[in-house]
Amino acid sequence: KQEVTQIPAALSVPEGENLVLNCSFTDSAIYNLQWFRQDPGKGLTSLLLIQSSQREQTSGRLNASLDKSSGRSTLYIAASQPGDSATYLCAVSESNYQLIWGAGTKLIIKP
Amino acid sequence: EAGVTQSPTHLIKTRGQQATLRCSPISGHTSVYWYQQALGLGLQFLLWYDEGEERNRGNFPPRFSGRQFPNYSSELNVNALELEDSALYLCASSGGLLRDTQYFGPGTRLTVL
Repeated sequence: KQEVTQIPAALSVPEGENLVLNCSFTDSAIYNLQWFRQDPGKGLTSLLLIQSSQREQTSGRLNASLDKSSGRSTLYIAASQPGDSATYLCAVSESNYQLIWGAGTKLIIKP
Repeated sequence: EAGVTQSPTHLIKTRGQQATLRCSPISGHTSVYWYQQALGLGLQFLLWYDEGEERNRGNFPPRFSGRQFPNYSSELNVNALELEDSALYLCASSGGLLRDTQYFGPGTRLTVL
């Protein structure tokens, strides 16, 4: 059974710092991996999607990497801003399109 | 282009009642997914509908059911509500060229008293 773990559960850093969020999964037979952002009381926003055949994806200040063999993904946020404060969720998709979720990392960027 | 919409925003019910939650996907999307986000439990997959058919189901009891209509909108029904059903219910849709990406609605907050 696939399990997704995110470390750390919470992170607080000063504005401007570069930071890394971690996601690990137990079964490497994934279809793709996605990173989402959730703001309090709101739905989810897809940030990056990495297909199983890809190693990384970039969007603006965000870079996500995928190492399927080790069951790990990282989300790198460059030059963090207060507006980046949110909960970041990692989810893996298996061939049936079902998303299996990590518990999330709550990120606070201090001005 | 309108995003995924869900209604109602909030729903308050008592134990034993039934709840009906609705979702309208992005135009052109044929797949709808339902997820439950309960406090302390994280997001869990509930149901997947595609082209009007139930394609996959998560580990939830049969009192969680739903359907997808010809216009691809979807309804989630929860019968015999229990206190632990209190959660944020999120709907997502996918389709077209970006089949792999699920776009989420704002959710329905269900509170069971």
